[in-house]
Amino acid sequence: QVQLHESGPGLVKPSQTLSLTCTVSGGSINSGSYYWTWIRQRPGKGLEWLGYIHYSGDTYYNPSLKSRLTISMDTSKNQFSLRMTSVTAADTAVFYCARVNSWGDYVGFDYWGQGTLVTVSS
Amino acid sequence: DIQMTQSPSSLSASVGDRVTITCRTSQSINRYLNWYQQKPGKAPKLLIYGASSLQSGVPSRFSGSASGTDFTLTISGLQPEDFATYYCQQSYLPPLTFGGGTKVEIK
Repeated sequence: QVQLHESGPGLVKPSQTLSLTCTVSGGSINSGSYYWTWIRQRPGKGLEWLGYIHYSGDTYYNPSLKSRLTISMDTSKNQFSLRMTSVTAADTAVFYCARVNSWGDYVGFDYWGQGTLVTVSS
Repeated sequence: DIQMTQSPSSLSASVGDRVTITCRTSQSINRYLNWYQQKPGKAPKLLIYGASSLQSGVPSRFSGSASGTDFTLTISGLQPEDFATYYCQQSYLPPLTFGGGTKVEIK
């Protein structure tokens, strides 16, 4: 059974960089079959896709946040990470990591971490 | 970006009811539409992909359909564990986008 677990600081100061790591167990992130992704949910709001990464190095970011995001991968630790620069209070959210699976032409997020709340505040 | 409009934003229903949630997209996305269920404090759970394919382990009372840019999630025989918020999501074109959610509450 694949499991994902987010970790990182729960509190970040405005203008600083948010860094989160997703540790994957029960499967290898080296598998070419999957992409790995980050999604956030601001308090009381809906879901916002941030970007994804493939072990080949292929990445894609939400253009609305692209200048502030970096998603990277450490295959030796079976982890992938998110960095978001220049955070403001508007970036306060629960951050989820998830696996992107495909069924023929269709893709979806089939395994999720439990989510981690990051608050941006001084 | 492809806009996803869900309706209603909330509804009240009773156990055993048939519930229908609609998602309308701002452009054609063929059948690249997924549905998720989210309970308070939990991560979303994939229910349906490709507009109508049931994810493994999801009860058959959940079904999805598509007609042009209109997509429907139907719960046939609402169960107590189905009270949750439901989101649609398009996987046709990045950036991947979600609908605003439909909260299904107990009447």
